[in-house]
Amino acid sequence: GEDVEQSLFLSVREGDSSVINCTYTDSSSTYLYWYKQEPGAGLQLLTYIFSNMDMKQDQRLTVLLNKKDKHLSLRIADTQTGDSAIYFCAESFGSSNTGKLIFGQGTTLQVKP
Amino acid sequence: DSGVTQTPKHLITATGQRVTLRCSPRSGDLSVYWYQQSLDQGLQFLIQYYNGEERAKGNILERFSAQQFPDLHSELNLSSLELGDSALYFCASSARDRGDNEQFFGPGTRLTVL
Repeated sequence: GEDVEQSLFLSVREGDSSVINCTYTDSSSTYLYWYKQEPGAGLQLLTYIFSNMDMKQDQRLTVLLNKKDKHLSLRIADTQTGDSAIYFCAESFGSSNTGKLIFGQGTTLQVKP
Repeated sequence: DSGVTQTPKHLITATGQRVTLRCSPRSGDLSVYWYQQSLDQGLQFLIQYYNGEERAKGNILERFSAQQFPDLHSELNLSSLELGDSALYFCASSARDRGDNEQFFGPGTRLTVL
């Protein structure tokens, strides 16, 4: 079935690394996405990883994918107060003829100065 | 700015009423998706259109309907509104219809049903 789970809250100090975790159940996922939502704003696409990759790095963001455990993580290096937001992971299914996204509940990241 | 526009930004209406939310996709994108974000249900996929045709349906109520017009903009119609329909409604667009391409989200329409 289609289900994506995330922990609800993470608090870190400015300058530390943040690691946000996500698990998914459907092994036919093709792309796994990370979106950021700031208060009162829409969803901003941060990065994504194709399911045949293990890792993707993009500046301060590192995505790790463990297909065996169906576990996805987003690491933010040198976390800043501007990174405070809700982070959603989402999966899509390239083998189907729809690009619909299945989202997790979102992880609220609080960055303390 | 994602390039996806949604109007109106806010909508306040009463139970039993009908409203229309509008979305313009990014230039060149053929797929439009509608999602609902509420406190109790989270972010849920409602419906997808691709080049004017319905492509996939999610947890969309029968009171809700959508369409995509020849100029590729889309409208989501919500009727017989209930208090529980209060939510943030997002539109997203992508170049193609499948899951192997990025989806970009609009700023959302916040619907409040009183």
